[in-house]
Amino acid sequence: GNSVTQMEGPVTLSEEAFLTINCTYTATGYPSLFWYVQYPGEGLQLLLKATKADDKGSNKGFEATYRKETTSFHLEKGSVQVSDSAVYFCALSDQAGGGNKLTFGTGTQLKVEL
Amino acid sequence: EADIYQTPRYLVIGTGKKITLECSQTMGHDKMYWYQQDPGMELHLIHYSYGVNSTEKGDLSSESTVSRIRTEHFPLTLESARPSHTSQYLCASSDRPGTGVLNTEAFFGQGTRLTVV
Repeated sequence: GNSVTQMEGPVTLSEEAFLTINCTYTATGYPSLFWYVQYPGEGLQLLLKATKADDKGSNKGFEATYRKETTSFHLEKGSVQVSDSAVYFCALSDQAGGGNKLTFGTGTQLKVEL
Repeated sequence: EADIYQTPRYLVIGTGKKITLECSQTMGHDKMYWYQQDPGMELHLIHYSYGVNSTEKGDLSSESTVSRIRTEHFPLTLESARPSHTSQYLCASSDRPGTGVLNTEAFFGQGTRLTVV
C-alpha cells in the first residue's frame, strides 16, 4: 500500500534560518505529491504540489521537487519567518482506479522564534 | 479560497448523546472525506464518498456513520457519543480526475473539535 514518511518534529528554528523537512513515499503507481500546512486551530491548506517526476512545486517561498529516483519530496525554504510556525503535512494522491484518496504523513511541527 | 464549511467549530457534549457534524461544500466536488486528527496531529481517514449515494469506510475503523444524499453535503453522525470520540474531525472535498484538468487537490474545512464528557 501507499505510505508517506516525514521527519519528526518539533523543528525549532530562528527567524531567517534555512528550513528542510524531509519526506519520502512509497506508492504502487505514479502519485501526485503535496505539502499541506495547518495553522493553529485551523484546517489544512494546500501549500504546494507536484504531479510528475522532476516537477517543482513552489509557493510563499517554499519549494519541493518530485524526485522519483529517491522517492522524495523534501520541503525547503531559504528564510523562515515567525508566521511560518505551523504543522506541515506531506501527502500523496494515488489516482489508480479513478480514486483520489490522500495518504498523509504524520506531520512535522515547525516553531520559528525571533 | 476554499468553499467548504464545517459546523460547529467546537462542541462539548455528554456521554450517550447523538450528534451530527455538518460539512458542506459549494464547489460541486464529487469526492468528500472525513478525517479524524488525534492530539499527536496524525490524520486518519474514517469515511469517504465518491458521489451521491456512495459512502465507504476509511483506513481507521470508526463508530460514526455518514450519508451523501446531496453532492454538497456530507454529514457525520455519532449515535451515542463516548469520551473516546473526543478528537478533531476534518472534512475535505476534491474533484474527480479525468475532467480535463489534473486537479487532485483536496480542500479542507476548518474542522470540528469535539469533546465528550
